[in-house]
This record gives sequence, C-alpha cells and structure tokens, in this order.
Amino acid sequence: QQQVKQSPQSLIVQKGGISIINCAYENTAFDYFPWYQQFPGKGPALLIAIRPDVSEKKEGRFTISFNKSAKQFSLHIMDSQPGDSATYFCAASIYWEDDKIIFGKGTRLHILP
Amino acid sequence: DTAVSQTPKYLVTQMGNDKSIKCEQNLGHDTMYWYKQDSKKFLKIMFSYNNKELIINETVPNRFSPKSPDKAHLNLHINSLELGDSAVYFCASSQVSGSRDEQFFGPGTRLTVL
Repeated sequence: QQQVKQSPQSLIVQKGGISIINCAYENTAFDYFPWYQQFPGKGPALLIAIRPDVSEKKEGRFTISFNKSAKQFSLHIMDSQPGDSATYFCAASIYWEDDKIIFGKGTRLHILP
Repeated sequence: DTAVSQTPKYLVTQMGNDKSIKCEQNLGHDTMYWYKQDSKKFLKIMFSYNNKELIINETVPNRFSPKSPDKAHLNLHINSLELGDSAVYFCASSQVSGSRDEQFFGPGTRLTVL
C-alpha cells in the first residue's frame, strides 16, 4: 500500500522555468512533510520540510505548497537550473509514532541547459 | 569530514554468500537507519536503531540482520544472498527520533548479486 503518491515519475524543464512536483497522501495523521534531493551516486539529502500548520514554506528558489484539506503538497522550483537536475522524493511521517518516514517513489528532474 | 560513511561502496557477490555492509556516523546522532533503494529508485526503510536499540524492523527477510556495536555504528549483515537483494543500501542517521528530524544519508552501497 503506497501511503505517499508522487507525480510525475520524470520531468523535463527548460532552464529558467518552474519545476512542479506533486504528492498526495491518505493518512491524515501525517504531520511532517520533508522533501529530499538525491544526485546520482549520492545519498538523499533534506531539501526543505513543512508542517501542516502552514500552507507554504519558501527557501530560496524552493517552495513547498501544502493543501491540508486536499491532502496534497507540492514542491515548486523557481528559475530551475541545470544543477537542480536530480531525483526528488517527497515524504511524510507521524511525529508521535515510530521513526518511520514514508517516501514517495521519486521524480527524476532534468533541467535542459 | 564525512558525516555518514559506508563501506564498501560497491559489493559484487555470488548468490548464497553472506556479506556485511558497515556504517559509521560521526555526528553524535542517537538514531541510525538502513534503507533499500531498488532499481526504480524506490526508497524503503528496513531498520531503525536508537541508542543501540532496535526501533523499526520492517518486513524484511530474516536473512537481513542489523548489528549496532555502539551508537556510532550500525552494520548490516545479509545471509544467503539472493538475486532480489541487488539494490543500493543507504545508511542514515538523525539527532533524535527521525520522524521529525533531518536524516543524514550515507553515500550508499551498491550490492550486485550474481
């Protein structure tokens, strides 16, 4: 059972464009939503994270939008650069439960130069 | 300085063999994890240890056994390797309970079972 659904599976964006990756979840008990970025041959690294008490969080060119009623959240990368080319994972977890973070299946993002 | 290190980076072995992957973190974190990433990049948690105690043990074959000699180390032993075990295995750590704490991942170990 996939608890966090991520789309698209792959995405190609022109340099300078906006990259948008979407995730949806079912379990309303989730209360922490991180995004991880993984470059080829490397381990994932935390990019940005949000809690459901806010609808948006911005860090530089990266923004998470969160829609609690729709149980959806998305990552927007503004002014996308070739260096942003990586695999992006959304994830969700329940703070008061065990240490488990549930990852989405990942989106391979390629920014055309 | 390497925060989370894993050895070896690549591991190629025959079916039926027993192998180990070592993980060390120098961040002073209390919690360590093992993840499996399959060929489709799907990342799934296998185990979690907090202060040398097993916290999460997902449904993995009992051929997989984590060993934590101390807080800074979490090794993964795999017995009777099977073709389906081929994947990239990531070790990770976090300061406290990882469900709301940043997890720091190692570089991964690519295991190929022939």
